[in-house]
Amino acid sequence: DAGVIQSPRHEVTEMGQEVTLRCKPISGHDYLFWYRQTMMRGLELLIYFNNNVPIDDSGMPEDRFSAKMPNASFSTLKIQPSEPRDSAVYFCASSSLGGPGNTIYFGEGSWLTVV
Amino acid sequence: AQKVTQAQTEISVVEKEDVTLDCVYETRDTTYYLFWYKQPPSGELVFLIRRNSFDEQNEISGRYSWNFQKSTSSFNFTITASQVVDSAVYFCALSDREGGGFKTIFGAGTRLFVKA
Repeated sequence: DAGVIQSPRHEVTEMGQEVTLRCKPISGHDYLFWYRQTMMRGLELLIYFNNNVPIDDSGMPEDRFSAKMPNASFSTLKIQPSEPRDSAVYFCASSSLGGPGNTIYFGEGSWLTVV
Repeated sequence: AQKVTQAQTEISVVEKEDVTLDCVYETRDTTYYLFWYKQPPSGELVFLIRRNSFDEQNEISGRYSWNFQKSTSSFNFTITASQVVDSAVYFCALSDREGGGFKTIFGAGTRLFVKA
């Protein structure tokens, strides 16, 4: 079975540009998560969806970040305008169960560099 | 509040040594789950194990073993006869129902270097 698929794997962009990260969750999984990993803050949950509906976006750092899930097989995380401090690895993940017992399966990450 | 502490930032061992990675957690929930993930140099996060708060039985999977002790709020991970391929960052994670929803939070990770 295919795992969580993210694109692009690597992105280098200039400050002020719009960045869109894409994710395809594992088929049949109805929870989707976006995490950000940095050296300073580790792995942080940004937002998660259940059945395409955003449930908790309290981790989204500011209004420059937005996430959508138009259907069960696709989600985007957008940063507009991007800033150098947004440089990080962004992971998309999915799970098939709600609640604390879920095992979250991660994509390979999108490595973002904003210069 | 939820908290996961991995006090060991980096560990360096020589191949074939045993190594234990520590994880201490905090939660007010009585039902919770603990996880270990591996992040090799290639960057992906690989799920290793999940334990629930009602099952304190230790688990062994090949060279990997996990020791869950509720009395000390610890969920330690031991690699026996370490190999170079075990070099990675290992994350401990906690998931519970605190706050009405659920969140999985991760420790800061322990970077393991296994030298040949």
